[in-house]
Amino acid sequence: DIQMTQSPSSLSASVGDRLTITCRASQSINVRLAWFQQKPGKAPKLLIYQASSLESGVPSRFSGSGSGTEFTLTISSLQPDDFAIYYCQQYDQHWTFGQGTKVDIK
Amino acid sequence: QVQLVESGGGVVQPGRSLRPSCIAPGSTFSGNTLHWVRQAPGKGLEWVASISYDGRNKNYADPVRGRFTISRDNSRRALSVQMTSLRVEDTAVYYCVREGHGTKFQVFDLWGQGIKVTVSS
Repeated sequence: DIQMTQSPSSLSASVGDRLTITCRASQSINVRLAWFQQKPGKAPKLLIYQASSLESGVPSRFSGSGSGTEFTLTISSLQPDDFAIYYCQQYDQHWTFGQGTKVDIK
Repeated sequence: QVQLVESGGGVVQPGRSLRPSCIAPGSTFSGNTLHWVRQAPGKGLEWVASISYDGRNKNYADPVRGRFTISRDNSRRALSVQMTSLRVEDTAVYYCVREGHGTKFQVFDLWGQGIKVTVSS
């Protein structure tokens, strides 16, 4: 099974900050990686797929990059609505998620 | 608006069965692979099972293989999962998820609101 490891597990940030979350796969997954945002009591929401493709309706301050085993999610200027948990997910061999990164207010 | 609506959750004793389901009112998902994903309380996301658009191909995660059975009825726009021999560790919110097409093949692009399943004596 492919394991996904995110870092950091949590972080505190302020509105306007640039934020980067890293995701590592235990083996190469090419660009078959997605990022999701989840708020308390809500279903996850797709942000990025194919490592860097922005889902329709998602603000352009979100971007993704990487290939192989190393990936990043970047939020260029953190907004109040962005405080949430973020998950990466590989879909190269079945589907596995990272453990999540909680972003809260500093 | 395209949405997925789950139902059929609840509290059940260990060893018993439950059959959550999901419908897609006002839209079609007959051409999409569908999945169940779960999230234990305070934990991360775990893929559970998938079923191809025509129902012929089914895949299961190791923890549920042999106990859960996924099925669909495209005429009713319905997805179900028959859960048997339930364990305490199956306690979670279960999400019905649609897989996309084309460049979003194998991408989870639409999620239901989730249904809570609690296994407890």
